[in-house]
Amino acid sequence: AQTVTQSQPEMSVQEAETVTLSCTYDTSENNYYLFWYKQPPSRQMILVIRQEAYKQQNATENRFSVNFQKAAKSFSLKISDSQLGDTAMYFCAFMIYSGGGADGLTFGKGTHLIIQP
Amino acid sequence: DVKVTQSSRYLVKRTGEKVFLECVQDMDHENMFWYRQDPGLGLRLIYFSYDVKMKEKGDIPEGYSVSREKKERFSLILESASTNQTSMYLCASTLGTSGYNEQFFGPGTRLTVL
Repeated sequence: AQTVTQSQPEMSVQEAETVTLSCTYDTSENNYYLFWYKQPPSRQMILVIRQEAYKQQNATENRFSVNFQKAAKSFSLKISDSQLGDTAMYFCAFMIYSGGGADGLTFGKGTHLIIQP
Repeated sequence: DVKVTQSSRYLVKRTGEKVFLECVQDMDHENMFWYRQDPGLGLRLIYFSYDVKMKEKGDIPEGYSVSREKKERFSLILESASTNQTSMYLCASTLGTSGYNEQFFGPGTRLTVL
């Protein structure tokens, strides 16, 4: 079974600072996908960023980037120039490449990120 | 924009009742999912479906069943609700056969079983 571990239940930073959320996972598979999802206080979960395990290059989406270390099974999320709207629960998620369809995601327990004004 | 809607934001039921949670997506997605979210546990997959009338068990299917009679609708059924099923239930959908595709989530249904 796959597991995803987020070791920081809660983090708080000042607006405009850079923050890194950690995520590690455990799998014996070689082909898989990794995701970061964000759940703001309004509760609608949205995708922040994703990474295919076979790609060496770290994914970036505007102020969001990842540090993907496949050998260490680590997938951290960096948020640069943090904004008040970044306050949310952040979930790291994992999916094995099955070749036959889209399976469900395995989620970590989440990190509650608070951006202070 | 993809829209995933869930029939209720809040629901209160009694122990032993049969409960139906409905999810509808409007973007012709093949795959639909039910997760439950509990504080400190994250989200856990209950069931998913990759086609009409098809279903697959997730990590915690016990006490639940599902129905997918139409492509756009995926129902989660609690045959006999129990207090340990009090939780937030999230529905999601995604297009196609690539696991890399984004899952789009509904707003959630907070179910309380008394």
